[in-house]
Amino acid sequence: NAGVTQTPKFQVLKTGQSMTLQCAQDMNHEYMSWYRQDPGMGLRLIHYSVGAGITDQGEVPNGYNVSRSTTEDFPLRLLSAAPSQTSVYFCASSPRGPYSGNTIYFGEGSWLTVV
Amino acid sequence: DAKTTQPPSMDCAEGRAANLPCNHSTISGNEYVYWYRQIHSQGPQYIIHGLKNNETNEMASLIITEDRKSSTLILPHATLRDTAVYYCIVRGGATNKLIFGTGTLLAVQP
Repeated sequence: NAGVTQTPKFQVLKTGQSMTLQCAQDMNHEYMSWYRQDPGMGLRLIHYSVGAGITDQGEVPNGYNVSRSTTEDFPLRLLSAAPSQTSVYFCASSPRGPYSGNTIYFGEGSWLTVV
Repeated sequence: DAKTTQPPSMDCAEGRAANLPCNHSTISGNEYVYWYRQIHSQGPQYIIHGLKNNETNEMASLIITEDRKSSTLILPHATLRDTAVYYCIVRGGATNKLIFGTGTLLAVQP
């Protein structure tokens, strides 16, 4: 998981609070994305970005906002946390190519509990 | 976006080859097949990827059928540390989205 850094690693929120999960990569990758993983489930795509200033929705975008002002950073914002957003969140990055066979690198994950 | 189908679980004896199948019958010509694995709740670990030809690296081999509708990941000599959930993923197209399926839990038995 070289080069993709997520913070914080653990966070407990109260229902209705807002927070931002940070993701940074130092590999000059154009493509970045956020996933969530619920217990016993596979990863589901929340939002992704193919470059600075460009973002798009994935499978489960509701309740989350993203922005991409720089190549290095791709923060995920929870606007009003709900218990259903209790999950492990993974950030990923890769070089971009239209028919890309590039390796995708994942961060170590951020464990979020909403009470 | 092409979807993948994998068996939910498989067993393999330690030291034997583990063959993990994946169906991706709706794959497009420019989409790659990727394999990742996840141990406990760690970040997914890259294993191998391919487009048309079979691929081999130090971890595994990837066999893709000629019609590209299915593939098999081969771990040649499975060890207990290979016990993990293995994800087959199709990626490509204009958006480069990476969509995970439910994966296969591989249990390597001593």
